[in-house]
Amino acid sequence: ELKVEQNPLFLSMQEGKNYTIYCNYSTTSDRLYWYRQDPGKSLESLFVLLSNGAVKQEGRLMASLDTKARLSTLHITAAVHDLSATYFCAVDPEAAGNKLTFGGGTRVLVKP
Amino acid sequence: NAGVMQNPRHLVRRRGQEARLRCSPMKGHSHVYWYRQLPEEGLKFMVYLQKENIIDESGMPKERFSAEFPKEGPSILRIQQVVRGDSAAYFCASSPGVGANVLTFGAGSRLTVL
Repeated sequence: ELKVEQNPLFLSMQEGKNYTIYCNYSTTSDRLYWYRQDPGKSLESLFVLLSNGAVKQEGRLMASLDTKARLSTLHITAAVHDLSATYFCAVDPEAAGNKLTFGGGTRVLVKP
Repeated sequence: NAGVMQNPRHLVRRRGQEARLRCSPMKGHSHVYWYRQLPEEGLKFMVYLQKENIIDESGMPKERFSAEFPKEGPSILRIQQVVRGDSAAYFCASSPGVGANVLTFGAGSRLTVL
C-alpha cells in the first residue's frame, strides 16, 4: 500500500523567515502534486512535478522532486501571513488515472 | 466557466437516513473523482467515473456507498443508512482525461451525521 508522509504536521512560521515542508512516499512515482487548502475551502493546485529533478517556483513557493529518494520538498521563502493554510502533497503512482494518494497535510500558521 | 459545482455544501442527516451528494464537473471534463476528507486528515480516494461507467471504485466502502455518473446530469455519491463515522467532507474533482491533467476540485460537501 502506498504511503505518503508529510512533515512537519504543523509549522508555526515567523514572517520573513524561510521554511521547508517534506513529502516522502513509499513507491515509485514520477508524478507529484502540491495543493493548498484554506479552512473550510477546496483544494487549490500549486504545482505538478512530473520528472526527477523537476523544480517549479511561484512567488515565495518552490517545489522540487527527487524520484530516486522518493522525496519532494516545498520551500517557503520569506513567509508572509497570506501563506497560512494547510499544504498537501499527493502522489499518483499509476501515472494514468489521477487516483491520488494524499499526505496528511502540513498546517502552516505564519505569525507577524 | 463555473468550475466544479457541488451541492449541497452542507448536509445534516440523522443516523439511518440517506445522503445524496451531487457533482457537476467543469465544462469539457468527462472524468469525475470522489474523495473523502475526515477531520484533520488528507483526502482519500473513493471512486473514479466516466459517463455511465465506474472505472475504479477501489476506495469505496463495500456497503452503503454507491456512485453514478449518468449520461445526463451530475455525478451522485449516495450513502445509505448513514452512521456517525460517515461525517466528513466529500470532495469531487474533474479532469478532461487521464494523463498529466491536474484535478480541479469542487468546494466540497460537508456531511454531518447526528
